[in-house]
This record gives sequence, structure tokens and C-alpha cells, in this order.
Amino acid sequence: AQSVTQLDSHVSVSEGTPVLLRCNYSSSYSPSLFWYVQHPNKGLQLLLKYTSAATLVKGINGFEAEFKKSETSFHLTKPSAHMSDAAEYFCVVKGRGYALNFGKGTSLLVTP
Amino acid sequence: ETGVTQSPTHLIKTRGQQVTLRCSSQSGHNTVSWYQQALGQGPQFIFQYYREEENGRGNFPPRFSGLQFPNYSSELNVNALELDDSALYLCASSLLHPPIKRGYEQFFGPGTRLTVL
Repeated sequence: AQSVTQLDSHVSVSEGTPVLLRCNYSSSYSPSLFWYVQHPNKGLQLLLKYTSAATLVKGINGFEAEFKKSETSFHLTKPSAHMSDAAEYFCVVKGRGYALNFGKGTSLLVTP
Repeated sequence: ETGVTQSPTHLIKTRGQQVTLRCSSQSGHNTVSWYQQALGQGPQFIFQYYREEENGRGNFPPRFSGLQFPNYSSELNVNALELDDSALYLCASSLLHPPIKRGYEQFFGPGTRLTVL
């Protein structure tokens, strides 16, 4: 079965400092991986996706993630946090059939 | 091009009642998936509809059922509501051309917040 584990439930950074949100995956075959963001009272928005092309994936709003097969990881990074980045972030793996399997989420807090 | 819309925004029901949630898919999409997001958790896949037929189901009991209409909009019905059904219900639409492409995207609506008392 395909699953993801988000290693931190909460991450706090200062505005202007780097962001690192960690995700490990488990998959019996080469996975399709995604990062989604959820702002309060808003729908989930796709940040980026990995589909076995380049291992370094660039997304929207300056986010990027690197697929590392040897470490079964797909960590999300951003060089400089902005206040508007404060939200819930979900690492997602495509599961059986057409389902998306979500991690439990990481809440990102950005302080001034 | 309009995005995914859901109605109602909020709903309060009592245990044992039935509820219907509605979703309009994004223009040009032919597939709708439903997810349940309990407080503090990630969304969990309920089922997907493609060409008006159920096309995959997660680990949810039969009292969760759905429909997809010819215009690709969809309904989620939940019978015999339980307290644990209180959650945010998310609808996601996508354009599916089997065989499934790697990394096909699902576009999410804002959700319906269901509270069961």
C-alpha cells in the first residue's frame, strides 16, 4: 500500500528564514507524490507534484521538493518564508486506483 | 472557467439523520472524488465517480453513497449519521483519460463542514 508520513506536526520559522517540511513515503512501485497546502477556510491547493521526471520539482510560490529514492523522502523546502505561507501542508501519494493518500499534515507557523 | 464549488458551506444534523452534500466540478472535468477530513487529520478518500459510475472506494461503510450526474456534478449521501461523521467533506474534480496518467491532478473545492449532534 502507498502511504506517507509527515515527520513534524508543527513547524515554526521566522519570516525570511528557510522552510523545511519533511515527508517520507512508502510505496511498492515508483510513486506519484504531491504537496498540497490548505489555508484556513479554503480548499486544498496543489503546490507541486513528482511524476518520475526530474527529481527536483519546482512548485508555486517559491516552493520546491526533492525526490530521494534512497531515503524514500520527498521533503518540501522554500528559501525564505513569508507570512502568507502560514498554513497546513499535506504530503500526498497516489494510492490504489485513483485515490490520493494524504499524510496527517504539518502546520507551518511564520513569526515576524 | 469556474472552479469546484460545494454546497452547503456548513450543515448541522442530529445522530441518525441523513444528509446530502453537493459538488459542481470544474469546467471540462469528468471525474469527482470525495474525501472526509476529520479535525486535525489529513483527508481520507471516500470514493470516486467517473462517467456516472463509482470508480474506486476507500474504507467507508455502505451508508456513504454517491451519485454523479450527466453534467459531472455529484452528490454525497450519508445515512444514519453518527457523531464521528462530523468532519469537513471535500470534493475534488479532475479530467481522467484512462489509462490513468501518472500525477494527474485533482482540484479541490472549499468543502462542507458537517456537524453531527
